[in-house]
Amino acid sequence: DQQVKQNSPSLSVQEGRISILNCDYTNSMFDYFLWYKKYPAEGPTFLISISSIKDKNEDGRFTVFLNKSAKHLSLHIVPSQPGDSAVYFCAALTSGTYKYIFGTGTRLKVLA
Amino acid sequence: DTGVSQDPRHKITKRGQNVTFRCDPISEHNRLYWYRQTLGQGPEFLTYFQNEAQLEKSRLLSDRFSAERPKGSFSTLEIQRTEQGDSAMYLCASSLVLGYTGDGYTFGSGTRLTVV
Repeated sequence: DQQVKQNSPSLSVQEGRISILNCDYTNSMFDYFLWYKKYPAEGPTFLISISSIKDKNEDGRFTVFLNKSAKHLSLHIVPSQPGDSAVYFCAALTSGTYKYIFGTGTRLKVLA
Repeated sequence: DTGVSQDPRHKITKRGQNVTFRCDPISEHNRLYWYRQTLGQGPEFLTYFQNEAQLEKSRLLSDRFSAERPKGSFSTLEIQRTEQGDSAMYLCASSLVLGYTGDGYTFGSGTRLTVV
């Protein structure tokens, strides 16, 4: 049972435009959500998180939106840069468990 | 501190052989995690330690897998009698227990295992 789903395996965006990566979850007990970025041959690196008490969190070019009623979150990257080309994973956690559940990832390609 | 270190980076082994991977977490982190990632999938939880205690093991961790964290420092993950289905990237991560759990883990670069 895939509790965290990323239905778009890949996305291509022109440099300077907005990248929107989507993630859906099924477990209503999740109360923290994170995005990780992964380059080839490296481990995932933490990008941005959001708690379920918020609906938006911003960090520079990255903004995460959470829609609890739809069990949906999205990551917006504005403006997109070629260095953002990577695989992006969303992950969810139920507080007290310390175990993140990851989605299958979306490969973002930013075209120069 | 150079982050989370994993050794080796790559391992090719014949089916039926035993392999052992090592992870050195960030020194002040008291939690250590092992995840496995196969092609086209996200990382899947295997097990975690708080200090030297192994607090949770996934059902993915069959009895051929064993993990240790002696003295709450580095950790080892051993796979006995490897099978081709064990081929994957094995990721180690560490974190500091904080009140806010949304800070994420710090991952190492992983050990890529290929069983031939």
